[in-house]
Amino acid sequence: AQKVTQAQTEISVVEKEDVTLDCVYETRDTTYYLFWYKQPPSGELVFLIRRNSFDEQNEISGRYSWNFQKSTSSFNFTITASQVVDSAVYFCALSEADDQLTFGTGTRLTIIP
Amino acid sequence: DADVTQTPRNRITKTGKRIMLECSQTKGHDRMYWYRQDPGLGLRLIYYSFDVKDINKGEISDGYSVSRQAQAKFSLSLESAIPNQTALYFCATSDIASTDTQYFGPGTRLTVL
Repeated sequence: AQKVTQAQTEISVVEKEDVTLDCVYETRDTTYYLFWYKQPPSGELVFLIRRNSFDEQNEISGRYSWNFQKSTSSFNFTITASQVVDSAVYFCALSEADDQLTFGTGTRLTIIP
Repeated sequence: DADVTQTPRNRITKTGKRIMLECSQTKGHDRMYWYRQDPGLGLRLIYYSFDVKDINKGEISDGYSVSRQAQAKFSLSLESAIPNQTALYFCATSDIASTDTQYFGPGTRLTVL
């Protein structure tokens, strides 16, 4: 069965610091997809990134970057020069051939001004 | 206007009452999903539908039912609400053309007293 682990329940950093959110997954499929979603205090879920299992290239989008390593079954998310607006709960998720998303339990990130 | 809308946004009800949560989308997606979010547990899949004639149970379907009235509408019903169904409920949509990324509605906060 597929599983996603976000071991960091809560993280607090001072504004402008870099922060990495960890995500470790388990799957028996060779084809799968990994996602990150952001849930700000307003409650909605915002899609951030989708990565398929055949593409291990790291991705950067502004201050956000993602490090996908199949060897360690990890898909970590780094925010560079954090800002108060980055304060949110971040979810990592996995889908296999059945297209059902399995979510991690989330990491609550607090950026201290 | 939002692509995925949920009504109501907030609802307080009593044990034993029948409740319907509605989801509508203008994204033209075939697939729709219902999730619930509980503190510390992430999101868990209740039901999903890949088209109007296709309904499938998710991880936690007991106590819930759904209806896919049209491609754009997917309703979740609690036939006899109980307090442990107090949660934040999300509707999501996806389409194979959008690489199966799920896009979420704003959520419905349901409290069962």
